[in-house]
Amino acid sequence: DQQVKQNSPSLSVQEGRISILNCDYTNSMFDYFLWYKKYPAEGPTFLISISSIKDKNEDGRFTVFLNKSAKHLSLHIVPSQPGDSAVYFCAASRTGTASKLTFGTGTRLQVTL
Amino acid sequence: DADVTQTPRNRITKTGKRIMLECSQTKGHDRMYWYRQDPGLGLRLIYYSFDVKDINKGEISDGYSVSRQAQAKFSLSLESAIPNQTALYFCATSKGSTHEQFFGPGTRLTVL
Repeated sequence: DQQVKQNSPSLSVQEGRISILNCDYTNSMFDYFLWYKKYPAEGPTFLISISSIKDKNEDGRFTVFLNKSAKHLSLHIVPSQPGDSAVYFCAASRTGTASKLTFGTGTRLQVTL
Repeated sequence: DADVTQTPRNRITKTGKRIMLECSQTKGHDRMYWYRQDPGLGLRLIYYSFDVKDINKGEISDGYSVSRQAQAKFSLSLESAIPNQTALYFCATSKGSTHEQFFGPGTRLTVL
């Protein structure tokens, strides 16, 4: 039972354009969401997060949007840069559950010149 | 820089062998985690530990055991490795009840 889903295994975007990565979840008890970026031969690195009390969080070129009624979140990268090419994982957790993260299957983003 | 390190980075072993993967951290975090990543399945939690005396099973603990030797060290053992334990293994840490976890570089384990 995949509680966190990333339905697009891959995405290709031109440099300078917007990248939109999507994530859906099924467990309505999740109240905190995170995005991680992973380069080959490295561990995932934390990128940005959002609490369920918010619907948007920005950090530089990265913005995460949360639609609780649709159980959907998205990561926007504007403008996309070649160094953004990586695998992006969405993760979800519940406050009070030992910080246990449930991960999606990842989306491979390729930013082309 | 405060960091999370894993040893070895790569390991090839044979079915039935005992394997230990080690994780050390200098972040001063109290919580530590072991995950495995398989193609198409994302990261799944194997074990987690709040402190030296508190160890808990995760989603897929069968076939694995762990030891928290100190606040900074958390090791994962495969008592008798089998081929379907071939995967990428990641250690992670976090501080208190915060959600953000910080990952090590991973160990690629191949069981023949």
